Amino acid sequence: KAGVTQTPRYLIKTRGQQVTLSCSPISGHRSVSWYQQTPGQGLQFLFEYFSETQRNKGNFPGRFSGRQFSNSRSEMNVSTLELGDSALYLCASSLGQGLSGANVLTFGAGSRLTVL
Amino acid sequence: GQQVMQIPQYQHVQEGEDFTTYCNSSTTLSNIQWYKQRPGGHPVFLIQLVKSGEVKKQKRLTFQFGEAKKNSSLHITATQTTDVGTYFCAGPRAAGNKLTFGGGTRVLVKP
Repeated sequence: KAGVTQTPRYLIKTRGQQVTLSCSPISGHRSVSWYQQTPGQGLQFLFEYFSETQRNKGNFPGRFSGRQFSNSRSEMNVSTLELGDSALYLCASSLGQGLSGANVLTFGAGSRLTVL
Repeated sequence: GQQVMQIPQYQHVQEGEDFTTYCNSSTTLSNIQWYKQRPGGHPVFLIQLVKSGEVKKQKRLTFQFGEAKKNSSLHITATQTTDVGTYFCAGPRAAGNKLTFGGGTRVLVKP
């Protein structure tokens, strides 16, 4: 079955612009989580959506937002980009509830954002 | 908030040698997961431990969950060049909670 698909894979933006990243989860997975990965900070949790509702949220400013659609696909948006937003943004899907292993994550390849 | 620490941050290993990386949480975890990220890749799930004191093996990798469910370890025997990458542990405090990742242990293998 198809894995987690993230688009675009690479993008370059300038400060002040905004960006939208997309994530298509594994079929049947209802939870989508977003992480920011930078060399110095590791994997930082942004937010998790389950059945179109934000279930968990990390400690990021309001410029970072997301949403989930009825087909479980998710988008995240970053407004007023700053240089420090340059990172690999990883999306991960999971079942979200139910049996043991429901929160095991399958990651996408990531969207690498460079802010100039 | 919940913090997950991993030590060491970097591990240089001679091919063929064994090593262990450790994961410590500031709070009790409902389960612990381990992921591996190859250079230039994305994290890939390795294993999940749920029970206190649980030990699981995957070929040359041995994973252990502490009795208090606040720490875990990954032991690799006879390290190979294919073991190169960053190993992350992650755990939620409770079912439905976010997965908090440790900072990872980056493993470099000297042939």
